[in-house]
Amino acid sequence: TQLLEQSPQFLSIQEGENLTVYCNSSSVFSSLQWYRQEPGEGPVLLVTVVTGGEVKKLKRLTFQFGDARKDSSLHITAAQPGDTGLYLCAGGDSGGGADGLTFGKGTHLIIQP
Amino acid sequence: DAGITQSPRHKVTETGTPVTLRCHQTENHRYMYWYRQDPGHGLRLIHYSYGVKDTDKGEVSDGYSVSRSKTEDFLLTLESATSSQTSVYFCAITFGTANYGYTFGSGTRLTVV
Repeated sequence: TQLLEQSPQFLSIQEGENLTVYCNSSSVFSSLQWYRQEPGEGPVLLVTVVTGGEVKKLKRLTFQFGDARKDSSLHITAAQPGDTGLYLCAGGDSGGGADGLTFGKGTHLIIQP
Repeated sequence: DAGITQSPRHKVTETGTPVTLRCHQTENHRYMYWYRQDPGHGLRLIHYSYGVKDTDKGEVSDGYSVSRSKTEDFLLTLESATSSQTSVYFCAITFGTANYGYTFGSGTRLTVV
């Protein structure tokens, strides 16, 4: 069974600060995805990374896939209240994820104005 | 632009009764998944489908069955609902394998009393 550990579980910071959320595993994944979920809604895909060492930027968000494809990080620069939400990482297995993704338990992020 | 809808959005049912949740997509995607989301457990895979009448079990399939008679519909049935099945249920679709990323529905909040 593949497991993904996210840290921290909860994070509350002031608007304008920077933060990093981590997603770690002892297993190798064929891809790593990040989702953001708001209350009462389903998760929304932010990014998919598939190559070890890959870095992707989405405005103020920077995503990195570890060289060994076992871990990932999400860095937010100058956080804004609109970034508040539950951030989930998810990994696809060696079969390309056809059997479904494994999800971490999430990081609850609150950005205080 | 939903592309994927779940019904009902909320349901309260009594222990021992059968319950069917519906996931409908208009994207003609091959892969469909049912997850449940619980505090402390995150998203866990119940069942998935990779085509009409092609389904398989996920991590937490006991007490659940699924059917997919048409590409656009994926039904999740709780044969005899129990209080431990109180949860938020999400359907997800992807056009390729899960490595391409999921599109989630808005969820069904099910309470078993």
